[in-house]
Amino acid sequence: SQTIHQWPATLVQPVGSPLSLECTVEGTSNPNLYWYRQAAGRGLQLLFYSVGIGQISSEVPQNLSASRPQDRQFILSSKKLLLSDSGFYLCAWVRSSQSLSSGNTIYFGEGSWLTVV
Amino acid sequence: DQQVKQNSPSLSVQEGRISILNCDYTNSMFDYFLWYKKYPAEGPTFLISISSIKDKNEDGRFTVFLNKSAKHLSLHIVPSQPGDSAVYFCAATVTDKLIFGTGTRLQVFP
Repeated sequence: SQTIHQWPATLVQPVGSPLSLECTVEGTSNPNLYWYRQAAGRGLQLLFYSVGIGQISSEVPQNLSASRPQDRQFILSSKKLLLSDSGFYLCAWVRSSQSLSSGNTIYFGEGSWLTVV
Repeated sequence: DQQVKQNSPSLSVQEGRISILNCDYTNSMFDYFLWYKKYPAEGPTFLISISSIKDKNEDGRFTVFLNKSAKHLSLHIVPSQPGDSAVYFCAATVTDKLIFGTGTRLQVFP
């Protein structure tokens, strides 16, 4: 069976410090991978998605970046955090063979709470 | 630019009655529409979906209706149960992306 893990689960970082959130998927190959953020009072915002190693699509201009160094690994990073980066970050995946346009759902990780102070 | 909107941030319904959650969208290219349920500090879980070529899909207590001309969809929960209390997100797919709405907090009271 497939599983998705992301870590750390919770972190408190000072403004201006770097960030690295990691997500890995097990039990599948070549998944499509996604990073979402839920900020206070806002919905689930799509930040980045990737359809393959080294392929990153950015949805919103921001202080964050994403990388996919391995097939089942997706990393969310920042060189200098802002207060507005605080939120609940979610990694998600779907089998690349199961197109979202056919109604297949994506599966979410446990989430990471980031508080920038 | 919010392509998927849920204009009601909260909804309170008595147990046993119908809950109706609404969602509006702007992109006519969306292929599928989905509803998710989310508890605090957890990832969303999938509830039900509907193709853009259909107007209704039913699964147990959950029914989703799609009105393409109005670019509007709704989720009906009948009968509502206290365990249904959560935040509900509608979402829409286009190519490889899943775009979420802003969410509606449903509270079902006894």
